[in-house]
Amino acid sequence: GNSVTQMEGPVTLSEEAFLTINCTYTATGYPSLFWYVQYPGEGLQLLLKATKADDKGSNKGFEATYRKETTSFHLEKGSVQVSDSAVYFCALSLNTGFQKLVFGTGTRLLVSP
Amino acid sequence: EPEVTQTPSHQVTQMGQEVILRCVPISNHLYFYWYRQILGQKVEFLVSFYNNEISEKSEIFDDQFSVERPDGSNFTLKIRSTKLEDSAMYFCASSETGTLEYNEQFFGPGTRLTVL
Repeated sequence: GNSVTQMEGPVTLSEEAFLTINCTYTATGYPSLFWYVQYPGEGLQLLLKATKADDKGSNKGFEATYRKETTSFHLEKGSVQVSDSAVYFCALSLNTGFQKLVFGTGTRLLVSP
Repeated sequence: EPEVTQTPSHQVTQMGQEVILRCVPISNHLYFYWYRQILGQKVEFLVSFYNNEISEKSEIFDDQFSVERPDGSNFTLKIRSTKLEDSAMYFCASSETGTLEYNEQFFGPGTRLTVL
């Protein structure tokens, strides 16, 4: 079946630290991969995406590279800010049908000043 | 900026009662979705809806669940007889298109359903 596995949280960092949140996937076919972010009290927002192998998605200083050989899509940021504190969800979508998303459990990031 | 809204933000109900969760998708979107997240677990797809009918549903979406677009703006999820295990955060999403070429799904803030 299709599934996404994320690292357990919370991830606690000091401001300006380097961030990595691991995500691996299992899929039949060739999925598109996404990172969504949920700030407190808000809905899930698309952070970045990659639709084929070796694509790099980037937004707001966050990056993730679609690695087909390791079935991974790890999220990275070079220098986190307090405002990055949120829950981050890795997800995949198979490029057929109506594009339902398959999510991981989410990883909470806490950044302290 | 247009956004998906959901009401109520928190619903508490007794086991066996019916609940209706409401969503207002973005106005020009045509594809609608419900997802849910049981505390500490994954966000799970429930159902997708297009052109006034269900296009896909998961095994979770059994006969106790139904969806409706009663007018031009609302999209509802009804649970006929709630169970304890229905307690979860329910997310509504919408997208402009839905097939093949990926189109971003915009999510609402969620409704937390607590079944006692």
